[in-house]
Amino acid sequence: KNEVEQSPQNLTAQEGEFITINCSYSVGISALHWLQQHPGGGIVSLFMLSSGKKKHGRLIATINIQEKHSSLHITASHPRDSAVYICAVRETSGSRLTFGEGTQLTVNP
Amino acid sequence: DGGITQSPKYLFRKEGQNVTLSCEQNLNHDAMYWYRQDPGQGLRLIYYSQIVNDFQKGDIAEGYSVSREKKESFPLTVTSAQKNPTAFYLCASSIVHRESEQYFGPGTRLTVT
Repeated sequence: KNEVEQSPQNLTAQEGEFITINCSYSVGISALHWLQQHPGGGIVSLFMLSSGKKKHGRLIATINIQEKHSSLHITASHPRDSAVYICAVRETSGSRLTFGEGTQLTVNP
Repeated sequence: DGGITQSPKYLFRKEGQNVTLSCEQNLNHDAMYWYRQDPGQGLRLIYYSQIVNDFQKGDIAEGYSVSREKKESFPLTVTSAQKNPTAFYLCASSIVHRESEQYFGPGTRLTVT
């Protein structure tokens, strides 16, 4: 079992829909990251969370430390949101990141 | 503009040849990382360095080597001992802090035939 599990693996939505991507982890963490990877391959950091909730534009990330679970929400989705979204955790015991397999999101016009 | 550059974007090599992937950053970060990405798998750590002239093996270091002679540069050599080198390689950097963000380069897609 992977230490970081994402669901769903693939998600197709219509423009304007509300999107939720989930991330569960099995280790103690000091921080959780949400990353976005576009088709060209480059990765951009969206959020870094250690508790609560963060919002940036149409993106919202939440984390529940007790349940070892985080969600990434996209409101009013747009085709340009189509990308792979990756969850990564930094364990409390170290400085390295452990990555989920990613969720491929496709938003159709 | 501050950032991380990786070159080239696409690289083709024949089996049995060593190949070096470039990673340069001008963010003044002490820590640098090399990851490998394969279809359907999460990023896996190959090597990382937290200071010049020092580096540590990650989870899949076999068949790879690195050097860190300058703060700005962390080249990765894929040797002929790497049994399955075709993959997408990503370099990242960060400050040395437990909760620091990592900044990623654009990646190099290596194909070995």
